[in-house]
Amino acid sequence: DAGVTQSPTHLIKTRGQQVTLRCSPISGHKSVSWYQQVLGQGPQFIFQYYEKEERGRGNFPDRFSARQFPNYSSELNVNALLLGDSALYLCASSPKTLRLRGNSPLHFGNGTRLTVT
Amino acid sequence: GQQVMQIPQYQHVQEGEDFTTYCNSSTTLSNIQWYKQRPGGHPVFLIQLVKSGEVKKQKRLTFQFGEAKKNSSLHITATQTTDVGTYFCAAGYGGSQGNLIFGKGTKLSVKP
Repeated sequence: DAGVTQSPTHLIKTRGQQVTLRCSPISGHKSVSWYQQVLGQGPQFIFQYYEKEERGRGNFPDRFSARQFPNYSSELNVNALLLGDSALYLCASSPKTLRLRGNSPLHFGNGTRLTVT
Repeated sequence: GQQVMQIPQYQHVQEGEDFTTYCNSSTTLSNIQWYKQRPGGHPVFLIQLVKSGEVKKQKRLTFQFGEAKKNSSLHITATQTTDVGTYFCAAGYGGSQGNLIFGKGTKLSVKP
C-alpha cells in the first residue's frame, strides 16, 4: 500500500509570494494533519481536517489555510510568505477511529521542504 | 498553550551503551506517543501509551508512562548504530481535537 504522498518535495519562493502544498493520505485514512518542522525543532501543529471539516488549528497566522477534498486529499496554502516560513512541511494521515482514549497514530509523508528567500 | 518538555536535547553514546530520553508535561495527558526521525527523513510512529504507569517493550526499547500521566520515558538498551536519529514524544491532551503536541526531540548519535 502506498504511504502518505506529498508534493512538491522541494520549493523555493520569494518573500510575499503564495504557495500551495499537496498531500494524499493513506487509502482509507480520513484525517489529515499538517505540521511545520523548523530545523532542529519538533513538528508544530498547524491544522487537522477530518471529513472535509477543520477539526483543529494550531497557533499560526491567518496567512495559513487548508482544505480537504472529497477524496480526503488536502492542500495547505500559505500567503504573503515570510523568511520565517522556511521549514519542512509535513502532512500526516490517520484513520481517526472513534476511540474512548488516545489519539490515532500519525503516518507522516516525506514532507515538502520550503525555502523562502 | 500546552507544552511538553523533552530532555536531553542531544545525547552522544558509544555503541553498546544505554540511552534514555524524558518527556514532561505540566498538565495531565490523555496519552503519549513516541516517534523516531532518521536524518533527512520523516517522523515514524513507534508506540502509544494510554494507561497510568504503563510499560511497553519493543525489543531493546522500553517505554514508560508515569503514574500521574504527566511524564514518559524511552530507554534503549545496548544502542546500535541503527538507533541514530531524533526521538520525539508527542502528547495528546484529549478532547475533541486530535492534534498532538510534539516535544523538541532528543538527537541520538552512536559512535561505533
